[in-house]
Order: sequence, then structure tokens, then C-alpha cells
Amino acid sequence: GAVVSQHPSRVICKSGTSVKIECRSLDFQATTMFWYRQFPKQSLMLMATSNEGSKATYEQGVEKDKFLINHASLTLSTLTVTSAHPEDSSFYICSAGKGSLAGQFFGPGTRLTVL
Amino acid sequence: GQQLNQSPQSMFIQEGEDVSMNCTSSSIFNTWLWYKQDPGEGPVLLIALYKAGELTSNGRLTAQFGITRKDSFLNISASIPSDVGIYFCAGPINTGTASKLTFGTGTRLQVTL
Repeated sequence: GAVVSQHPSRVICKSGTSVKIECRSLDFQATTMFWYRQFPKQSLMLMATSNEGSKATYEQGVEKDKFLINHASLTLSTLTVTSAHPEDSSFYICSAGKGSLAGQFFGPGTRLTVL
Repeated sequence: GQQLNQSPQSMFIQEGEDVSMNCTSSSIFNTWLWYKQDPGEGPVLLIALYKAGELTSNGRLTAQFGITRKDSFLNISASIPSDVGIYFCAGPINTGTASKLTFGTGTRLQVTL
């Protein structure tokens, strides 16, 4: 199967600091990775599409300067939440694509709590 | 934008009962996906549907792609405690980029013994 990991699984930080979340495809190469955010009792909302070797594309309403995405290799994408505030507290989930809609495999998520 | 509404929003059922949930869209979809999300985890794909009218099973799960292409149904037969979780439908975001997904509002399932 296809395995996607995320690190860390949980992070607590102070307001104003930056937090980096890693997403790795462990047994396949992914030219495209996706970042989602999920608030409590809500659905997954796509934040951005991360493309290996090029700039990420962001969904409407997502600040690209606040959520920095780097897709440095075919197996790693990182999301950095800069100057985090309590309203950024959420469950961040990545997925890695193998080329089709059904071929998106999701990571286990990272729970971010900003104090 | 495209919106996927799921009903019911949540349900409590007894172990052994059958479950039915649905997903409706404001626009036509050519692919429907059903996912399950366990607490504190990412979603896992259950069933993928590609053709209007298609009926597909995966163990105790059966999903159907509605004829109008604006809805889909998921049924779970003989529910067991491990069926607890949130079930999401998902479909492609209509921006020309085939691999972007939009998720439904979710159906939270709780099973009592």
C-alpha cells in the first residue's frame, strides 16, 4: 500500500512563533501533495497544492505568506505556519497523490495548538 | 463553489443494525469517493465510484453513484463497534485540476452495543 507520514503528530506553541509540519510519502514518489485543515467537528478544507520543484498553489482565502509550503523532493513537503495565533489551532492533514483522485493517500494529521 | 451536503449529520445506532447515509451536490460530479476518518487520524478511502448508476461494494459497505450525478449513497450492513467514525464523501473540485478534492460535511456514526 501507500503510506504517508506526518511529523510531528502534535505540537503546542506560543503565539507569535512559527511551526513546521512535515509530510512524507514513505513508499512512493509524489509529484503533488495537498495540505488540508480541519477544525473541530468540521470537514477537511483544502488549503494548498504542493508541487515538487515549483511554487505551491493556494486556495482562495489562504494566506500564502502565513502558510509557507516547500516541496523539496518527491517524498517530502513541509508546511510552516508563521507567526502562529490561537485561531490557527487546528488539525492539519496532508495527502500525497499518485496521479488520480482515488490515488490520494492521507497522512495521520498534526494537531496544532497555539497558546 | 461546489458544496457537498451529507445527511444525516450524526447517527447513533445499535450494533448489528444497517446504516444508510447520503451525499448531495449542487452540481454534477463525475467521480464520487467515500472516506472514513477515525478520531485523530487522516481519512482512509473506502469506495470510489466513477459512473452514474454504479453500485460498488467493499465488504459490508456498499456505495452507489446516483443517476443524476448529483448524489451518492453509502450503506453499511450489520454495523460493528469499529464502524465508529466520521464518513465523508468527496469529489473533484471543478477548477480543471483533476486531482483536487472537495469534502462533504460528514456523517458522524456512533455505535452502541
